[in-house]
Amino acid sequence: AQTVTQSQPEMSVQEAETVTLSCTYDTSESDYYLFWYKQPPSRQMILVIRQEAYKQQNATENRFSVNFQKAAKSFSLKISDSQLGDAAMYFCAYRRGNTGKLIFGQGTTLQVKP
Amino acid sequence: DTGVSQDPRHKITKRGQNVTFRCDPISEHNRLYWYRQTLGQGPEFLTYFQNEAQLEKSRLLSDRFSAERPKGSFSTLEIQRTEQGDSAMYLCASSGTGVPNTEAFFGQGTRLTVV
Repeated sequence: AQTVTQSQPEMSVQEAETVTLSCTYDTSESDYYLFWYKQPPSRQMILVIRQEAYKQQNATENRFSVNFQKAAKSFSLKISDSQLGDAAMYFCAYRRGNTGKLIFGQGTTLQVKP
Repeated sequence: DTGVSQDPRHKITKRGQNVTFRCDPISEHNRLYWYRQTLGQGPEFLTYFQNEAQLEKSRLLSDRFSAERPKGSFSTLEIQRTEQGDSAMYLCASSGTGVPNTEAFFGQGTRLTVV
């Protein structure tokens, strides 16, 4: 069975600084996708970034980028120039192929200090 | 289309009562998912539909839980004889099936409190 592990329950970062959130996963599949979702307090979950396993190039979306280490089964999220609005719970998620079902990690609460 | 809509947003019920939640997906999405999220944890998959067919159910979905999507549009999740352990946020998500349309978009959830 596939599993996703986030070992950092809480992280904090100073505004304008850079922070990295960690995620590891376990799978025997070769066709899969990895995601980072953001869940602000009392608000809906939104997709931050996605990575296809077959792509070697790390995904980037503006201030958000990932470090995808396929052999190590590691998928970390780097947030550059942190903003107050980045404060939220961040979830790493795995999806096998095109099945649609997501398997989530436990989440990391990110605090951004002004 | 304003996204995935869930109703109600909050529900307080007494133990033993039945509750039903509704989810309206993004109109062009044919896949619909239900997840359960307890406080401080990641969402756990419950079930998903492609059109009106229920394609997968988690073992978390006990006999007291039933989900339907009768016309392939909105879906309902019913919990019978609620227990205190059912207290959680119930999230609905929808997606298409063609890449790049397989991203899941989430609703704001229904928070259930069983007293």
